[in-house]
Parts: sequence; C-alpha cells; structure tokens
Amino acid sequence: AQTVTQSQPEMSVQEAETVTLSCTYDTSENNYYLFWYKQPPSRQMILVIRQEAYKQQNATENRFSVNFQKAAKSFSLKISDSQLGDTAMYFCAHHSGGSNYKLTFGKGTLLTVNP
Amino acid sequence: DADVTQTPRNRITKTGKRIMLECSQTKGHDRMYWYRQDPGLGLRLIYYSFDVKDINKGEISDGYSVSRQAQAKFSLSLESAIPNQTALYFCATSESRDDEQFFGPGTRLTVL
Repeated sequence: AQTVTQSQPEMSVQEAETVTLSCTYDTSENNYYLFWYKQPPSRQMILVIRQEAYKQQNATENRFSVNFQKAAKSFSLKISDSQLGDTAMYFCAHHSGGSNYKLTFGKGTLLTVNP
Repeated sequence: DADVTQTPRNRITKTGKRIMLECSQTKGHDRMYWYRQDPGLGLRLIYYSFDVKDINKGEISDGYSVSRQAQAKFSLSLESAIPNQTALYFCATSESRDDEQFFGPGTRLTVL
C-alpha cells in the first residue's frame, strides 16, 4: 500500500529565512509522480511543485525547490526567502504512474512565517 | 471566474437528511474527483471519474454516491447524512491521469 508521511505537524520560520519540509513515501512502483500542494487559510488547494520520478533533476519553481531522493523515498520541499504569504498547510502527495489510479496525500505540515 | 466551482460553500444539516454537493468546471478536463479533508488526516479520495461513463470508488466511498451529469459536472450525494461526515469536501479536475489536479474552493459540511 502506498503511504505518505509528513513527520512535522507544525513548523515556523522567520520572514526571509529558509525552511525545509520533510516528506517520505512508500511505494513498490518505479514510475510515479510527487507533488507539494499548499493550502492557505482561504482553504484553496494550490499546486506548489511537481516531480516525475524518472527525472533525476530536482524540480524548482522560483523560491520553491525539492530534494528528491528516489532510493531513500524522500521528497522534501525547500522554501527560500520565506514570505508572510507562505503561511499555509503544506501537503505532500504521491501519484501512482501505473494503470491503477491512486493519489495519496500526507497529513500535512502547518507552516507559519513570522514577521 | 474560477475554473472549478463548488456549491454550496458551507452547509449545515441534520442527521438523516439527504445532501448533494455540486461541482462544475470550465477547464474542459475529462477527469474529476471528490475528496474529503479532516483535520490531521489530509485529503482522502471518495470517488473519481475519468469520463462521463467511468466512475470509480476511492478509499472512503461508503455512505456516499456520485453522479457525472456531463463532462463539466460531478455531484456528490450523502443519502443519509451522519455526524462523522462533517468535513471539508473538495472537488478536483485533471487533464490526464498523471497531471496536477486543480481544486475547487471546498464545501464545509456540518452534520448535526
């Protein structure tokens, strides 16, 4: 069974600093996709970044980047130059690339950016 | 205008009532999904549909049913609501199975 574990229920960071959110997953498949979604207080789910497992290069999107370690089944999110608007719940998600559809979310990490 | 809309945004109902949550999308995607979010549990898949004639159960489908009226519309029903169905419900769409999912604004449902 696929599982996604986010070991940090809550984190905080000072504005302009860097923070890393952890995510590990368990899968028996070789081809799959990983996502980080952000849920601000407005409760809207917003895609932050996406990684295909067959790509060795870590994905980046402006201030957001990932450290994808396939052998370790680890997919951490780094936020650089944190901004107050980054305050949100962050969810890691694993999507099977096989014929059986399965998108599994972690339980989330609540990130607070302090001024 | 939002690409994925959900109605109602908030709903309070009583145990035993039938409730329908509606989702509409203008993205032209074939694939639509219903999720439930509970505090501390993340999002869990209730049902998903890859086209109008293809509907599948997710991991927590008991107590729920769905209807895919058209490519753009996907409704979730609670035939007889119970208090432990109190949660935040999200509809989502995607262009293909492997693509990112686009979420609606959510419906907060409270069952008394």
